[in-house]
Amino acid sequence: KAGVTQTPRYLIKTRGQQVTLSCSPISGHRSVSWYQQTPGQGLQFLFEYFSETQRNKGNFPGRFSGRQFSNSRSEMNVSTLELGDSALYLCASSLPLAGGEQFFGPGTRLTVL
Amino acid sequence: QQPVQSPQAVILREGEDAVINCSSSKALYSVHWYRQKHGEAPVFLMILLKGGEQKGHEKISASFNEKKQQSSLYLTASQLSYSGTYFCGTEAGAGGGADGLTFGKGTHLIIQP
Repeated sequence: KAGVTQTPRYLIKTRGQQVTLSCSPISGHRSVSWYQQTPGQGLQFLFEYFSETQRNKGNFPGRFSGRQFSNSRSEMNVSTLELGDSALYLCASSLPLAGGEQFFGPGTRLTVL
Repeated sequence: QQPVQSPQAVILREGEDAVINCSSSKALYSVHWYRQKHGEAPVFLMILLKGGEQKGHEKISASFNEKKQQSSLYLTASQLSYSGTYFCGTEAGAGGGADGLTFGKGTHLIIQP
């Protein structure tokens, strides 16, 4: 079974630009969660999508948004990039069950200059 | 609130045992354990659910004290491949995955030959 895939793997942007990251979950997984990982803050929950609906969102500004398509693929968008947005962005897919294990993709390394 | 992991770092010789602890101030539905190697995505190790159910790798053992909202990961007869950063992720409330996981800051484990 193919794992979670994320594209692109690396991105370099400048302040003020916007960026879109993509995540394809494991086949059959309909829940996709996004996390930001930085050395200082660790792994932080951004939002979770199930059946094209955002069910919850972490404590991030409105510049961070996402969506999910009918095939469960998800995209995350960050507008008006700031230097502090430099991070590894991870998505994880799971069955939408209580206690379902989350499987992480390799991440997208975003560098904002 | 972020769960607290201890110790922050540990260095072992191959074959030695280690215990990594995770403590939360919230009533938990589940505790998830992951290992992340440098430059790689977190890899699922184990889930411990409220009520006693566990799912995970055969060679990994862990416990979940529901009264104290604490979990411990036990690594026995450590191997070089165990090196990495271990994260606990907690799920509060009724579970279901919508709230995402709240991760601790991680425990860095170094296994020396």
